[in-house]
Formats: sequence, C-alpha cells, structure tokens
Amino acid sequence: AQKITQTQPGMFVQEKEAVTLDCTYDTSDQSYGLFWYKQPSSGEMIFLIYQGSYDEQNATEGRYSLNFQKARKSANLVISASQLGDSAMYFCAMRERSNFGNEKLTFGTGTRLTIIP
Amino acid sequence: NAGVTQTPKFRVLKTGQSMTLLCAQDMNHEYMYWYRQDPGMGLRLIHYSVGEGTTAKGEVPDGYNVSRLKKQNFLLGLESAAPSQTSVYFCASSGSSGTSGRGAETQYFGPGTRLLVL
Repeated sequence: AQKITQTQPGMFVQEKEAVTLDCTYDTSDQSYGLFWYKQPSSGEMIFLIYQGSYDEQNATEGRYSLNFQKARKSANLVISASQLGDSAMYFCAMRERSNFGNEKLTFGTGTRLTIIP
Repeated sequence: NAGVTQTPKFRVLKTGQSMTLLCAQDMNHEYMYWYRQDPGMGLRLIHYSVGEGTTAKGEVPDGYNVSRLKKQNFLLGLESAAPSQTSVYFCASSGSSGTSGRGAETQYFGPGTRLLVL
C-alpha cells in the first residue's frame, strides 16, 4: 500500500491565487513527521515545511502552511498568493522510524504546479 | 558552508562499468542517505547510514553498495552498471534521532547526479 499519496499529478493556478496541494499518508506509528519539498526545474530538492505528529498547531513558513488533519491522515500544503517562481514539482514525504529505530523518509510521487501569469 | 555536495554532476557509463558517487556534508550530521529519482516514481531510498562506519539497506538496495568511512562522506558504488540504473541520484543528510526540534529531522539534499547507463 502507498504510504504517501499525492492524487494531483499536475495543477495550473492563476498567479496571486492560493493553491492547496493534497497529501494523504498511511502509518501505524504514533510518532512521525511530515515534510514538503519543492523541486524546481533546476533539479535541487528544497525543504519547505515540517509538521510533527504531536504538533497541535499547523506549521507555517512564510507563504507556506501545512493543513494537518491527523484523524484523516492528511497533510496538505497551502501556498498563499502564488508567484511565478512557485512553478515546480512538489513532494510530500513522511519520516518514520525503521526497525533499527532510525529515521527513513518516504516520498510521494509529486505534484507538478504551474503558475499562470 | 556548502551544505551537501555531490560529485560528479553528470556521468555516462557503459553497461558493466563501475563507478562511485561521492557525497559530502559539512553540517556535522549523523545521518546520510542515498536516493534515486525516476520519472513518475518520486524518490526511493537506496541505502542510508546512521553514523560513521554504519550502513543499512533502504527500499531499492540491489546493485548498489555504500560506505561511510568518515562522518562527512557517504559513497555510493555501482560495481557493474545496468541500464536500469539510469536515474538521478540524490544524497541527503540530517541530524540524529533523539534530538528535539524540527532541524534534527529535516533532510537536506545535494544537487543530484545524473547517471546514464548505455
């Protein structure tokens, strides 16, 4: 079963509008972390935002916020006031502890976001 | 402070050839990881290390070997390259588990290595 599901392969959004990128996850761990990364066309992976499973408040980082709904196992990324530079691939990822107690990161298949001027 | 660096940036190999990808980090991170990224499949973990001298298998370890002789370096080796190993390879590092705070958990990525196996 998919541990991280991103159901939107691609999205087109008008500049300055807000956009929500969906992410659902599957884990039986009580302690886990959720991440969003941005991958522009240049290829590098850029960390955007993190949410811990015990964090009671939704994480925010500038124009990025994470809509964390634990009971529904969703961790959607919200980008407010989108900009042309937001056009990129976005990956949701989950940190779990492996059998050795170490951390592993599992990625979704990504959503390609295109901002239209 | 260079963060995570990878060499080479791009390489073309013939089937059966061997090569080593080098990852270096200057953030004193305990954990290091190697991923491959293929179209439509996101990133998949190949091998990882929780400290100097330790390595462990990830999701897709076959055909690869790794070594972590120094804390700051993590090497990925392909002993006999196959066309199925054509991919973009990313190295990442993070702080150790048990340390509190978001910073300890976040993985920081290198710029990637594009590998083409003919």
